[in-house]
Amino acid sequence: DTAVSQTPKYLVTQMGNDKSIKCEQNLGHDTMYWYKQDSKKFLKIMFSYNNKELIINETVPNRFSPKSPDKAHLNLHINSLELGDSAVYFCASDGGGETQYFGPGTRLLVL
Amino acid sequence: QKEVEQDPGPLSVPEGAIVSLNCTYSNSAFQYFMWYRQYSRKGPELLMYTYSSGNKEDGRFTAQVDKSSKYISLFIRDSQPSDSATYLCAMSAGSNYQLIWGAGTKLIIKP
Repeated sequence: DTAVSQTPKYLVTQMGNDKSIKCEQNLGHDTMYWYKQDSKKFLKIMFSYNNKELIINETVPNRFSPKSPDKAHLNLHINSLELGDSAVYFCASDGGGETQYFGPGTRLLVL
Repeated sequence: QKEVEQDPGPLSVPEGAIVSLNCTYSNSAFQYFMWYRQYSRKGPELLMYTYSSGNKEDGRFTAQVDKSSKYISLFIRDSQPSDSATYLCAMSAGSNYQLIWGAGTKLIIKP
């Protein structure tokens, strides 16, 4: 049974479109994250939610809007997609310790 | 200067060799040190976790932390082609603090 799942796994879209990525964790964790990993493999944190409340909001364009309907779900909506948004987006969760568990990633390609 | 420095590689070694992967950091408040392994087209997964200074061994893997030098290492003995992956170091000052990531080192084990 997958601990952290993301949908879709692949997303190919045109510039200017709006898209969403969904994340669910069945680990009972309170904290969830969105990361962006560029082509050089550098992981950059974007957002963190603790029990549905936003606790980390790094310098990210306001075209990116996270939403947490409950503590098991954290979705990411992206408006007006740009070429530079092409990357792999990872969802992760932790249970209050330092260990984070990652989803399989969503590979976004903006054409 | 980045808070965590990690050589991106790639590091290519023959099967059976001992591999040494390293990270340096600047924040003396870091107490928790982790190594994650990321296979191609997968999410990072926790490999080793160390609190404060010292060594920790798990099978063929040994994690070392030298807080006086602000230097951490991951050693892989009897390296296998299946160890080929990107290895990311991560560290934090505690559970209420953000996890800070290295850039990742791509490791290639040649059969």
